[in-house]
Amino acid sequence: QKEVEQNSGPLSVPEGAIASLNCTYSDRGSQSFFWYRQYSGKSPELIMFIYSNGDKEDGRFTAQLNKASQYVSLLIRDSQPSDSATYLCAMSEPGGSYIPTFGRGTSLIVHP
Amino acid sequence: EAGVAQSPRYKIIEKRQSVAFWCNPISGHATLYWYQQILGQGPKLLIQFQNNGVVDDSQLPKDRFSAERLKGVDSTLKIQPAKLEDSAVYLCASSLDLAGHETQYFGPGTRLLVL
Repeated sequence: QKEVEQNSGPLSVPEGAIASLNCTYSDRGSQSFFWYRQYSGKSPELIMFIYSNGDKEDGRFTAQLNKASQYVSLLIRDSQPSDSATYLCAMSEPGGSYIPTFGRGTSLIVHP
Repeated sequence: EAGVAQSPRYKIIEKRQSVAFWCNPISGHATLYWYQQILGQGPKLLIQFQNNGVVDDSQLPKDRFSAERLKGVDSTLKIQPAKLEDSAVYLCASSLDLAGHETQYFGPGTRLLVL
């Protein structure tokens, strides 16, 4: 059973700070990793994906992947109250079907 | 570009009743997913289609759940009979293809409450 582990939180940070969200996974064969944002009562929306070791930056967001340690993280710089949401980590395994597996999500609260 | 459409948005039924959900993916998207998201948890994949073929349905409770995508476009998910623990949001998503880095686009979901 492939697992994606996330701390459910909530993670509370002040406005303007860096929010750091972490995710570990059990399947060493996983190759693609995704971060989705889900506002309360809404559907998930993709923020970033990463499949190479190292960092990937997009605006205020940086995804970090370390396959040897089996973790992936998301950094949000200059956090804003509008970033308050649940952040879902997901992975997909290689092969014929790329079946996605989601973590339970980390709740982030950015307070003014 | 129109997004993923789902209906109904809300449904309340009693246990042992039947219910069906409908999904229309983004035009041209070959891959369609149905997820179940229970409150406080991440989405759990129920079934994945590539065109009108099933790629994975290992987590679909086949004694009560069924899904089809007959013409490789729209899809329906049915629950018969429903149980209390089926109360959840049912999300449909689509992506261009099966490649591991393809972006999934989610519909608004159907909120099901089983009484």
